[in-house]
Amino acid sequence: DAKTTQPNSMESNEEEPVHLPCNHSTISGTDYIHWYRQLPSQGPEYVIHGLTSNVNNRMASLAIAEDRKSSTLILHRATLRDAAVYYCILSAIYNFNKFYFGSGTKLNVKP
Amino acid sequence: NAGVMQNPRHLVRRRGQEARLRCSPMKGHSHVYWYRQLPEEGLKFMVYLQKENIIDESGMPKERFSAEFPKEGPSILRIQQVVRGDSAAYFCASSLGQGTYNEQFFGPGTRLTVL
Repeated sequence: DAKTTQPNSMESNEEEPVHLPCNHSTISGTDYIHWYRQLPSQGPEYVIHGLTSNVNNRMASLAIAEDRKSSTLILHRATLRDAAVYYCILSAIYNFNKFYFGSGTKLNVKP
Repeated sequence: NAGVMQNPRHLVRRRGQEARLRCSPMKGHSHVYWYRQLPEEGLKFMVYLQKENIIDESGMPKERFSAEFPKEGPSILRIQQVVRGDSAAYFCASSLGQGTYNEQFFGPGTRLTVL
């Protein structure tokens, strides 16, 4: 499985933007980039995914580097409810079924 | 539309007993995935099932662990003769199917404690 590298933890102030980086230097041309987050004592929840182009949805934006070796999850205005562990995951375009979660980034949001 | 349901939420077993974890996928979902999460770690893939079939069990320990997803009823993850190292949170996810992108929806997990 293609591996991802994320900082262990990050801190943000409430209502400020947050940029969560992910390195995936071994990504292949057929790998999707997914982001999930896990709030304390809950199962992971989907945030966003992309292949080559930047993506926006109601939760966040995903900026993908031109060489696809890195990506950044952008939360435009962090809230206290965004405090969670954020996982950057790769999976082959033909095999979404096996996710390798890694250790993720624990985001702390300060009021 | 109810989300993925897992029960029990907490399960305590003594070493050597059996643990049965249940997962009811979202309505209309025929694909189920099981993951295990040890404390302070990310989730580890265990097995992927479709109705009545195991598609990928590459993450499942070879002994004591089994999974099924019968035609009727929930998916079951069964752990026989539990050991302390089996203590973990077990998460189930479901999706509509393959092909175009299918988001995995996760349940709240079952926290297994082996005494």
